[in-house]
Amino acid sequence: DAGVIQSPRHEVTEMGQEVTLRCKPISGHDYLFWYRQTMMRGLELLIYFNNNVPIDDSGMPEDRFSAKMPNASFSTLKIQPSEPRDSAVYFCASSRGYSNQPQHFGDGTRLSIL
Amino acid sequence: GQQVMQIPQYQHVQEGEDFTTYCNSSTTLSNIQWYKQRPGGHPVFLIQLVKSGEVKKQKRLTFQFGEAKKNSSLHITATQTTDVGTYFCAGLRAIYGQNFVFGPGTRLSVLP
Repeated sequence: DAGVIQSPRHEVTEMGQEVTLRCKPISGHDYLFWYRQTMMRGLELLIYFNNNVPIDDSGMPEDRFSAKMPNASFSTLKIQPSEPRDSAVYFCASSRGYSNQPQHFGDGTRLSIL
Repeated sequence: GQQVMQIPQYQHVQEGEDFTTYCNSSTTLSNIQWYKQRPGGHPVFLIQLVKSGEVKKQKRLTFQFGEAKKNSSLHITATQTTDVGTYFCAGLRAIYGQNFVFGPGTRLSVLP
């Protein structure tokens, strides 16, 4: 079975540019999570969806960040405008349940904002 | 601030030595999960504990959930270089609704 698929794997862009990260969850998983990982702050939950509906976006840093899940097989995380402090590895994960099932992580997108 | 803490933050061991990481919460957890992230990789689910005092083993790894369900531990016997990585615990806090949080992780280095 295919795992969680994220694209791009790496992104380098200049500050002020719009960045879009993409995620395809595992088929049949009804929860999708977006995380940000940095050395300083560790693994932070940004937002999660249940059945394509955003449930908790309290981890989204600010209005520059937005996430959508138009259907069960696709989600995007957008940063506009991007800033150097947004540089991090962004993971998408999916699961069959919120907390009682394993979360399956994608390979992540390593984002560098110059 | 962190709602689930892990100690130590870093651990360097000689290959063959044992290793233990501890996960502590200020509030009761409904369950706890452990993940391993290899350098440059992504977190991978290891195990879930649900019952008070539960102990589970996976080969050289032993996982324990505290009696009060506020702490957990992961013990590795006779570490190998393949054990290198960061070990995260993640738990569902049983108050204020559902709040599933990851700990900051313990980074393990194994010297050959």
